[in-house]
Amino acid sequence: SQQGEEDPQALSIQEGENATMNCSYKTSINNLQWYRQNSGRGLVHLILIRSNEREKHSGRLRVTLDTSKKSSSLLITASRAADTASYFCAVMDSSYKLIFGSGTRLLVRP
Amino acid sequence: IAGITQAPTSQILAAGRRMTLRCTQDMRHNAMYWYRQDLGLGLRLIHYSNTAGTTGKGEVPDGYSVSRANTDDFPLTLASAVPSQTSVYFCASKPGGETGELFFGEGSRLTVL
Repeated sequence: SQQGEEDPQALSIQEGENATMNCSYKTSINNLQWYRQNSGRGLVHLILIRSNEREKHSGRLRVTLDTSKKSSSLLITASRAADTASYFCAVMDSSYKLIFGSGTRLLVRP
Repeated sequence: IAGITQAPTSQILAAGRRMTLRCTQDMRHNAMYWYRQDLGLGLRLIHYSNTAGTTGKGEVPDGYSVSRANTDDFPLTLASAVPSQTSVYFCASKPGGETGELFFGEGSRLTVL
């Protein structure tokens, strides 16, 4: 079974709005990562947060991690049409394998 | 441009045939991975290799085999393809060290009829 499960499965927002995606996982982790996938392309790494970190920023991205609730969130601020993509969380487990969730499809309307 | 190359990009295959998906990286990364992506199921790990000469099973290894004879290449073989193996297959690699980000290829779309 998959470790990371994203919520919502799909999200449609207006350009300029913020987009928030959530991820829940089941077991202890080494770190949690977020990836982006444009349609028909490979995945691209966005940000990594370690198990001893609570929040991390990268440009318009903000990631939080709550290990007590086994959950993470990805916030994209001031969204742009070019942010339209699928976003995946992935957890690195104790054996250092990266296990992905099913993803959130984000549509940013111009 | 350095990165991961997958071949073929797309293939239609009759059930029962043998198929090898190729993956080559020129970044000298130690670890390599094969995932399959199916609609609504995200990416599932098939097999992985932490270093040349070693391999391990992921979440969905049945029906697949891999080898890691050297650092650069990590082929995935379907010994006798079945329709349920219709999917998009992604190869990925990770630099040395146990934690860190994965670098992905562009995928191989396989259809088994």
